[in-house]
Amino acid sequence: NAGVMQNPRHLVRRRGQEARLRCSPMKGHSHVYWYRQLPEEGLKFMVYLQKENIIDESGMPKERFSAEFPKEGPSILRIQQVVRGDSAAYFCASSSLLYEQYFGPGTRLTVT
Amino acid sequence: TQLLEQSPQFLSIQEGENLTVYCNSSSVFSSLQWYRQEPGEGPVLLVTVVTGGEVKKLKRLTFQFGDARKDSSLHITAAQPGDTGLYLCAGFNSGGGADGLTFGKGTHLIIQP
Repeated sequence: NAGVMQNPRHLVRRRGQEARLRCSPMKGHSHVYWYRQLPEEGLKFMVYLQKENIIDESGMPKERFSAEFPKEGPSILRIQQVVRGDSAAYFCASSSLLYEQYFGPGTRLTVT
Repeated sequence: TQLLEQSPQFLSIQEGENLTVYCNSSSVFSSLQWYRQEPGEGPVLLVTVVTGGEVKKLKRLTFQFGDARKDSSLHITAAQPGDTGLYLCAGFNSGGGADGLTFGKGTHLIIQP
């Protein structure tokens, strides 16, 4: 049973570039969540998606960040025009029940 | 805004000792999860508690959800070096607000051989 998969595991971008983070949920899971973990801070919810729908994006920064979960393929978190403050670990989680979420290994984004 | 406070923030003890870590909030949660996270990895789900007063055991780990569903504790008996890690509690509220989990900042646990 494959768990939640994320790629890349590490991503380095220069300021102003775009970052694309991918997440494949566990088999049978239709709910996908993205979280951000900044150094010395806890995990913060960003967005909750189901196939082709954004259900809750209340934790997503208003600018430069977007997320999608297409009918086919992985969920993608896109960060445009990255800045140094975007450097963080980004985690994807999936669930079949809303509250019982299983996390991927994360993508560590470094903006230089 | 719902907040979860975890204590202690850091704990270092000798192998074989017992310990308890706490997760407290002024808000009521529909459910609460405990995760363990190791450096460079994602959080791994340990347990979910849903009912106020619920107690769940996972080998040497005992989890309790407060009667009012505002707090939880994790007790480890006879700690082992393999228990070392960051323990996170996370609450979910189905009553409204964000659909994501609210996380505490975690307890960094080190078990010394």
